[in-house]
Amino acid sequence: GAVVSQHPSRVICKSGTSVKIECRSLDFQATTMFWYRQFPKKSLMLMATSNEGSKATYEQGVEKDKFLINHASLTLSTLTVTSAHPEDSSFYICSATSSGPQYFGPGTRLLVL
Amino acid sequence: AQSVTQLDSHVSVSEGTPVLLRCNYSSSYSPSLFWYVQHPNKGLQLLLKYTSAATLVKGINGFEAEFKKSETSFHLTKPSAHMSDAAEYFCVVSVDNAGNMLTFGGGTRLMVKP
Repeated sequence: GAVVSQHPSRVICKSGTSVKIECRSLDFQATTMFWYRQFPKKSLMLMATSNEGSKATYEQGVEKDKFLINHASLTLSTLTVTSAHPEDSSFYICSATSSGPQYFGPGTRLLVL
Repeated sequence: AQSVTQLDSHVSVSEGTPVLLRCNYSSSYSPSLFWYVQHPNKGLQLLLKYTSAATLVKGINGFEAEFKKSETSFHLTKPSAHMSDAAEYFCVVSVDNAGNMLTFGGGTRLMVKP
């Protein structure tokens, strides 16, 4: 089946710094990638949808200047959490699709101190 | 608009006994429905999906779900639980067959006792 990877799997950073999370589709070309956020013991909330070569579409309430998404190629999307604060601590999950079902990455746990 | 309600946040069963995880949905259009499983600190794995074909859908690891339009339900079942089934399960609805624009239920944590 299709494989999606994320890097890093977990990251700890200081408040005020920026963190980049990578999402890669390893064996298929992903025309669309999605970024989700999952709070502890909560469900997944869609943050944004990104199509290769175009600007991401953000869900209501998600700050696009804080959560920068780049989808530069058909196999890579990046999420950069800028000027991270402790409330940004969460589990971030990406998914990728090439017009079929979404395939999910293993997630990245971010802890902001 | 679409929404998903998972009726139980936690379900506990004994190993070898049946599993029932309940899900109700609402959708303005003919929905596609999915069940995903998430093991601790892992990504989501697709268990099964319904996309307007047979109403009884068989998935991986012995799971199946039945789409009941009259009840707007898509409950997940398994005849006999294994310890390895302990995980978080998400019922998900989408209004397109491709599975984009997913709306997630709140999740049900399945615990399996030896």
